[in-house]
Amino acid sequence: EAGVTQFPSHSVIEKGQTVTLRCDPISGHDNLYWYRRVMGKEIKFLLHFVKESKQDESGMPNNRFLAERTGGTYSTLKVQPAELEDSGVYFCASSQGGTAANVLTFGAGSRLTVL
Amino acid sequence: SQQGEEDPQALSIQEGENATMNCSYKTSINNLQWYRQNSGRGLVHLILIRSNEREKHSGRLRVTLDTSKKSSSLLITASRAADTASYFCATDPLSGGYQKVTFGIGTKLQVIP
Repeated sequence: EAGVTQFPSHSVIEKGQTVTLRCDPISGHDNLYWYRRVMGKEIKFLLHFVKESKQDESGMPNNRFLAERTGGTYSTLKVQPAELEDSGVYFCASSQGGTAANVLTFGAGSRLTVL
Repeated sequence: SQQGEEDPQALSIQEGENATMNCSYKTSINNLQWYRQNSGRGLVHLILIRSNEREKHSGRLRVTLDTSKKSSSLLITASRAADTASYFCATDPLSGGYQKVTFGIGTKLQVIP
């Protein structure tokens, strides 16, 4: 079974540019999460999709971040315009949902460096 | 704010020793999970303990949960160099799968061969 795939693995952009991160969850997983880890700090929750709907986006830093999950399959996280403090590793995770124990499967992460 | 807070933040031990990491959380949970992250990779699920369980074992891993103190511990016995990684606890706050799972800062474990 394919795992959670994230693309790109590493992106280096200049302040003010736009970057779009993509996540392909495990097929059939209703839950899709985005997290961010800034150097040595906690893994911070950004948002949670259930199928195509945003269940909880309380962790999104500001309106420069836009996440979508069209059709309830893959998701994108766009940062526009990027700022220096947006640098970090963005993790995507998916889980089955429903009454199943909510065990997350993570992608390898997308490392974003804003110069 | 994040739910889980791991303690210590860094731990260095010799191969063969046991490693114990602690986690505290703030709100009621359905279950608590431990994950491992090797450098440059995603997190990998290790073990889940439900709120009505007090102890669980999986291979060299032993997890305890004290819901009255809102704390958990992860014990890795007979550690190996390959156990070097960051370890995170994660809390699933409510029943069912449609709730956000939150993580802490993690414990960075170094096992010296």
